[in-house]
Amino acid sequence: SQTIHQWPATLVQPVGSPLSLECTVEGTSNPNLYWYRQAAGRGLQLLFYSVGIGQISSEVPQNLSASRPQDRQFILSSKKLLLSDSGFYLCAWSWGDTQYFGPGTRLTVL
Amino acid sequence: AQSVTQLGSHVSVSEGALVLLRCNYSSSVPPYLFWYVQYPNQGLQLLLKYTSAATLVKGINGFEAEFKKSETSFHLTKPSAHMSDAAEYFCAVSVDAGNMLTFGGGTRLMVKP
Repeated sequence: SQTIHQWPATLVQPVGSPLSLECTVEGTSNPNLYWYRQAAGRGLQLLFYSVGIGQISSEVPQNLSASRPQDRQFILSSKKLLLSDSGFYLCAWSWGDTQYFGPGTRLTVL
Repeated sequence: AQSVTQLGSHVSVSEGALVLLRCNYSSSVPPYLFWYVQYPNQGLQLLLKYTSAATLVKGINGFEAEFKKSETSFHLTKPSAHMSDAAEYFCAVSVDAGNMLTFGGGTRLMVKP
């Protein structure tokens, strides 16, 4: 069966520091991969999606970037975090008509 | 472009009472529709999905939803609420099997003892 992992589970970072969040999927090949953010009191915002290695589409211009160095690995990065980057980051994968979500990373920027 | 509206950002029911969470969508083509549940500090878990088969869809944990094209609705119901149902519920729509989802704003369900 398929499994999706995210780490770290929680992260507290100062403003201006870099960021790297990792997502990996097991048990499937060539999935579509997604990064979402949930800010406090707000819904789900799609940040990036990828249909293959090195193929990244950005939905919202911002302080973040994404990369897909391997088929089942998706990384969310920032060179300098802003206070507004705080939130709950969710990775998801799909193969077919359904998206499946990881456990999330809680990021607090101070 | 498609959109999803979830009426009621907070819904409170008593334990054992009917749960009804409302979802209306707009789409220019036949949609795929989904309900997800999110417990605190966890990811989203798929409850059920409609993909043009039976209009009444049964999901996990006793939930079901009915696709009503004439009303552009996909409301989620459960006959008897349990304390463990307290969570946030998201309705989502996709217009193709390429699975780009548009989410509603979410409904937080509270269950009173």
